[in-house]
Amino acid sequence: EAGVTQFPSHSVIEKGQTVTLRCDPISGHDNLYWYRRVMGKEIKFLLHFVKESKQDESGMPNNRFLAERTGGTYSTLKVQPAELEDSGVYFCASSQVLGYNSPLHFGNGTRLTVT
Amino acid sequence: QKEVEQDPGPLSVPEGAIVSLNCTYSNSAFQYFMWYRQYSRKGPELLMYTYSSGNKEDGRFTAQVDKSSKYISLFIRDSQPSDSATYLCAMSPGGTGGFKTIFGAGTRLFVKA
Repeated sequence: EAGVTQFPSHSVIEKGQTVTLRCDPISGHDNLYWYRRVMGKEIKFLLHFVKESKQDESGMPNNRFLAERTGGTYSTLKVQPAELEDSGVYFCASSQVLGYNSPLHFGNGTRLTVT
Repeated sequence: QKEVEQDPGPLSVPEGAIVSLNCTYSNSAFQYFMWYRQYSRKGPELLMYTYSSGNKEDGRFTAQVDKSSKYISLFIRDSQPSDSATYLCAMSPGGTGGFKTIFGAGTRLFVKA
């Protein structure tokens, strides 16, 4: 079984530019999550998709961030325009169902550096 | 005050030592408690999870939850160099799924051969 795949693994952009991160969840996992870890801080929830619908986007920091999940498969997270404080590691995770015995499977993350 | 507090370390121990990793929390609504292991440049990987208070053992790993003290622990017996990683505690009010899961900052562990 292929794991959660994220692309790119690393992105360096200048302030004001646009970056799009992609996540391919494990096949058959309806639940897809985006998390972010900024330097020295905890991993924090950004949003949660169930299939193609946004279930919870309470963690999205502001309207410069846009997440989509076309057809309930892969997801993209666009940051436009990027700011310095957006630097960090963006993780995608998926799970099969909601509930106790459905752990998160994380990708290896995209390391975003905004200069 | 953070909802979950975890000492970032680093913690350095010799091979074979017993390692104790801990987290405290403030939200009494948390019911599910998880430990993730993260190797460098990789994503977190779920090690163990428990519901409510009590102990759970899996091989060399034991997770303990004390809800009365709002304190959780992960013990690693006979630690190995391959256990060197960052260990993240995580907790949520409902399930091991991602929604409302709160992570600790992670403790970096080094096991010296």
